[in-house]
Amino acid sequence: DAGVTQSPTHLIKTRGQQVTLRCSPKSGHDTVSWYQQALGQGPQFIFQYYEEEERQRGNFPDRFSGHQFPNYSSELNVNALLLGDSALYLCASRAGGGHEQFFGPGTRLTVL
Amino acid sequence: KNQVEQSPQSLIILEGKNCTLQCNYTVSPFSNLRWYKQDTGRGPVSLTIMTFSENTKSNGRYTATLDADTKQSSLHITASQLSDSASYICVVSAKYKLSFGAGTTVTVRA
Repeated sequence: DAGVTQSPTHLIKTRGQQVTLRCSPKSGHDTVSWYQQALGQGPQFIFQYYEEEERQRGNFPDRFSGHQFPNYSSELNVNALLLGDSALYLCASRAGGGHEQFFGPGTRLTVL
Repeated sequence: KNQVEQSPQSLIILEGKNCTLQCNYTVSPFSNLRWYKQDTGRGPVSLTIMTFSENTKSNGRYTATLDADTKQSSLHITASQLSDSASYICVVSAKYKLSFGAGTTVTVRA
């Protein structure tokens, strides 16, 4: 079992650009959540996807959007990048009725 | 205001020594509390998860306690090793919403 995987590992963009991050959940998991973690801070919840729909959303602007595919994998899209979007982006998955959430290794996004 | 507060923010201990990290929360209704270990630049890895009825849980040299009445939890690391150097994050769940603490950074020195 590969666990939660994310791609790419690192990414460098400039202000105003758009970025897409990808996540494949752990085998058997159908719920995917995305988090933003600034340096030295705890993860901040962005949104959660289940059955290809956004089910919950944190306090993030509409520049942050996502998608979940029929195979449960997910994408996080960020438009009009700002310097403040530089962070580690974490994807986590769980089985629909389960408590345990497993995190991926993260994607380090740097906005210049 | 963050509903999960962790202390201390950071600490340095010598290899072989013990340490205790604290987590206070105001999240309600309470579902479960988890402790994660996060190495620098990596995703968090679960250490323990406790529900309302559990007041202690161990995972090797890590022991977590929970007092649901006072809404406090602690994570005790026994006989620390260099590999314990990491950030430890307390996460409290209310139904399926997770509230994260900012973490305690532990540095173990030889």
